Amino acid sequence: GQNIDQPTEMTATEGAIVQINCTYQTSGFNGLFWYQQHAGEAPTFLSYNVLDGLEEKGRFSSFLSRSKGYSYLLLKELQMKDSASYLCAVRGQAGTALIFGKGTTLSVSS
Amino acid sequence: ETGVTQTPRHLVMGMTNKKSLKCEQHLGHNAMYWYKQSAKKPLELMFVYSLEERVENNSVPSRFSPECPNSSHLFLHLHTLQPEDSALYLCASSRTGTGISEQYFGPGTRLTVT
Repeated sequence: GQNIDQPTEMTATEGAIVQINCTYQTSGFNGLFWYQQHAGEAPTFLSYNVLDGLEEKGRFSSFLSRSKGYSYLLLKELQMKDSASYLCAVRGQAGTALIFGKGTTLSVSS
Repeated sequence: ETGVTQTPRHLVMGMTNKKSLKCEQHLGHNAMYWYKQSAKKPLELMFVYSLEERVENNSVPSRFSPECPNSSHLFLHLHTLQPEDSALYLCASSRTGTGISEQYFGPGTRLTVT
């Protein structure tokens, strides 16, 4: 079967660093995506990994280990506006739709 | 403007009503998707259209009927829905082929079935 696991909720304070983990078991692998979704809004694309290693984009970084079926999203210098749900998604086969995890709700406090 | 628009943004309908959700993408993509998002559940893929042909249909009840008249427009026709169908319905689009082909989402339609 296909399964994507990520923690349900996380909390952190402004200025801190937080790591959101994602593990996956899918039939095939053609890329892992992270999306951010603020309450009542559409998910927006954050990052993409298809090869092992770290992809850095400003305050956000994403890591992938295909052999372990594992990824994480690292958020640095947290801001209040980073409070949102973070969705991990995997594309199992090229050209097919994404399979999403349940999302991790991150609450950033001052 | 996200490039993907959806109407209506909110919809309340009775179980005997017939309504349609509309999605339009202005990004030149050639694949479009319908997802259902319920509380405490992952985004559930409902339908995928690639080059205007339905390529995935994930065991969705027949009371949901998609239509893709061209690569820019996607509809979801609703009839005799159940209260458990109340959810956020999200449309997305992407390019097909190799490469990243990330999906761009619309703002969603919040559907309440009474």
